[in-house]
Amino acid sequence: EVQLVQSGAEVKKPGESLKISCKGSGYSFTSYWIGWVRQMPGKGLEWMGIIYPGDSDTRYSPSFQGQVTISADKSISTAYLQWSSLKASDTAMYYCARLPSIQLGFDYWGQGTLVTVSS
Amino acid sequence: QSALTQPASVSGSPGQSITISCTGTSSDVGGYNYVSWYQQHPGKAPKLMIYEVSNRPSGVSNRFSGSKSGNTASLTISGLQAEDEADYYCSSYTSSSTLGVFGGGTKLTVL
Repeated sequence: EVQLVQSGAEVKKPGESLKISCKGSGYSFTSYWIGWVRQMPGKGLEWMGIIYPGDSDTRYSPSFQGQVTISADKSISTAYLQWSSLKASDTAMYYCARLPSIQLGFDYWGQGTLVTVSS
Repeated sequence: QSALTQPASVSGSPGQSITISCTGTSSDVGGYNYVSWYQQHPGKAPKLMIYEVSNRPSGVSNRFSGSKSGNTASLTISGLQAEDEADYYCSSYTSSSTLGVFGGGTKLTVL
């Protein structure tokens, strides 16, 4: 069974750093893209970026380029989303999801990680 | 890039059919057969309902169907059921970023 299990909810202060994770199981982790999707409170879904764990090819949506870092450790089948300096506007639910290919969409989703940034 | 355009809300009675539209441009919806649709219930992760415009993943009811004409894709739900009440998002591959873009989402209310 394909599963993506994300790390737990986080509460941080503005300016702090954060790295959240997404562990894949039940499939060949290195053969599928992993994407990150943001959902701000009461709002819609936004593509953030994707990574191919097989060769670490990483691509960012223009709105998120330079704002976050996506990485993966294929030895433990885990992808990451990282911030170096959080802002209050980063408060959102973050989902990881698997893509068979960039064009086909996300076929399996993690349960989401709620990030709250507040002073 | 701009989000795809969806109606904010649609509604229908049990047993009826509804259609949700998703309008983009020739750089996304109109240029490729790479439109997908997602269902999201409150507090839950999205679920893939349609990919490549009209294909259903295994396990998705055949009451859900997709189509496309020009720059507009559509999701049709027939035989509406109470459990179909949810938010629905379209997404398309876009050549402007070589990634994807979502629509703003449509809230479906089953009356």
